[in-house]
Amino acid sequence: DTEVTQTPKHLVMGMTNKKSLKCEQHMGHRAMYWYKQKAKKPPELMFVYSYEKLSINESVPSRFSPECPNSSLLNLHLHALQPEDSALYLCASSQAFFQGASGELFFGEGSRLTVL
Amino acid sequence: LAKTTQPISMDSYEGQEVNITCSHNNIATNDYITWYQQFPSQGPRFIIQGYKTKVTNEVASLFIPADRKSSTLSLPRVSLSDTAVYYCLVAPRDSNYQLIWGAGTKLIIKP
Repeated sequence: DTEVTQTPKHLVMGMTNKKSLKCEQHMGHRAMYWYKQKAKKPPELMFVYSYEKLSINESVPSRFSPECPNSSLLNLHLHALQPEDSALYLCASSQAFFQGASGELFFGEGSRLTVL
Repeated sequence: LAKTTQPISMDSYEGQEVNITCSHNNIATNDYITWYQQFPSQGPRFIIQGYKTKVTNEVASLFIPADRKSSTLSLPRVSLSDTAVYYCLVAPRDSNYQLIWGAGTKLIIKP
């Protein structure tokens, strides 16, 4: 199984809603990532988890709250978002950070978020 | 952290070989060069990775000159389904969090 599965594929929410994006992988990867991608732009790194611990937070606003319940799952909790947060949210995984690990990132298909 | 420069867009025709060049003048000794492909509304997909000289897999070839300041992704005999955005990235092999995603190259394949 070389898939990263993201749900939901599409999400529409109001600025006062609370919602969550979910990501799952069963490749035994110990590093998981959240990226945000706006139209016609490259992916922007948001968060990195390594061995279920938050390793990188790229100065993301607190209205985005990541969670890694176990080594296979990654969530992104959303609260009080702004319309400019509308984007494609991508989850990725890779082998853990150690010398000689493959550089390959495995991405999910993304969750298309629209904030009204 | 090494940054990359690629052409914004390229056009080619089905059956042709396509070469996309990436410039990375400040590449570090322990940096690898990685290429990803992305179709609209999908996540990027790993194509190939290399350190020096030439790497080939079933999808593409990657040519890296001795000074490593540039690299060329070669796609043999492209088809319409190769229309996508191609990203060149440079980072230490086990440090994906250091990846800097450039603007990418929008490749359009015509019939």
